[in-house]
Formats: sequence, structure tokens, C-alpha cells
Amino acid sequence: EAGVVQSPRYKIIEKKQPVAFWCNPISGHNTLYWYRQNLGQGPELLIRYENEEAVDDSQLPKDRFSAERLKGVDSTLKIQPAELGDSAVYLCASSLGLAGETQYFGPGTRLLVL
Amino acid sequence: AQSVTQPDIHITVSEGASLELRCNYSYGATPYLFWYVQSPGQGLQLLLKYFSGDTLVQGIKGFEAEFKRSQSSFNLRKPSVHWSDAAEYFCAVGPSGGSYIPTFGRGTSLIVHP
Repeated sequence: EAGVVQSPRYKIIEKKQPVAFWCNPISGHNTLYWYRQNLGQGPELLIRYENEEAVDDSQLPKDRFSAERLKGVDSTLKIQPAELGDSAVYLCASSLGLAGETQYFGPGTRLLVL
Repeated sequence: AQSVTQPDIHITVSEGASLELRCNYSYGATPYLFWYVQSPGQGLQLLLKYFSGDTLVQGIKGFEAEFKRSQSSFNLRKPSVHWSDAAEYFCAVGPSGGSYIPTFGRGTSLIVHP
């Protein structure tokens, strides 16, 4: 069974440019999470989807970040425009959606903003 | 709000030696507790989790953890470390009911000497 797939794995852009990350969760997983992991830190939740509905986006900087999960399967996270402080690893995870259910993480997208 | 403290940024052990990684949490009720491992360039992999019941939890790769409510701790242990265990280890705490949004510690980097 395929795990959580993310692309691209690495991205280097100049500040003020847009960037997008894609995530395909494990088949059948209703809940999808986007995390940001800064260097030397643990992951921090940006947004959580239950099917196609964003149920927790309180930590998403909405002035420049947006996300969508139109058909309740794969998801895209966008930053526009990117800032130097956005350099981080962006992790996607999925789970069946039950309380306390195990999250399965993708390998992440490492973003460097110059 | 819940929080997680991993007091050790780095831990160095010799191959074959025993290991204990510390984790303290702050949470108002009975928490869900997790340990994840992250190898370089990889996503997080669940080692073990505690929801209720036996306070000594067995996980994958020979790891175990013990929930001590009186000390608000959930330390990870392994009796004999292998060189392949070198990685970043994250402790996480989640709500005990309803939606599951984990809070991660900053991680402990494990270095294994031959």
C-alpha cells in the first residue's frame, strides 16, 4: 500500500514568488493535515481537513497561505508571496479521522526562500 | 493548552548501550501520548502510543515507553541501541476526546557512536 505522497521534495524560490505543495493521502483516509516544521523544532499544525472541509485552520497565516482539498482526496498548500521566514519543511499527514487515530506522514517538502 | 517538553536537544550513546529519552507534558486531563521517529529527509513514523490501560507501552523497533501520571512523563526507552536508531525523536500529546490535534515537542536528536 502506498504511503502519503508529497511533491515536490525540494523547492528553492526567491522571496515574493508563489509556491505550491501537493499531497496525496493514503487511500481511504478522510483526515488530512498540513504541518510546518522549522529547523530544530517539532511539526506545527497549519490546517486539518475532514474530507473536503477545513475544520481547523486557526494556525494558517491566511494573508499569504491558502489550502484546498476540493474532492476530499489530494490537497494543495500554497504560499503567495513567499517570505524568507517561510523556509521550512512542509509535512502532510493523513489518518482515518477517528479521535486518536494514528497519523501517517509523508516525507515532506523542504522549502528554501532566498 | 497542552504542551510538551523534551529537555534534551541531543543525546549521544554508544551502540549496544541502553537509551532513555525524556518527555514531560502539561495537559488538564488524561492525554493521548505518542513517540515518533524521523530519519533524515523522511517523514515522521509512529513508534508507539498510549491511550489508556497498561502504562508500559511496547512499540516497534524494540522501543517502549512508560506513562507516569504523577510525574507527567512519558519517557522512551530501548535496552540496546543500534546504529540505525540514530534519528530525531519527537514526543507528542493530544486531547483525550473529540478531535485529535497533537502538540509536538521540539525533538531530541539521537547520536549513536560505534
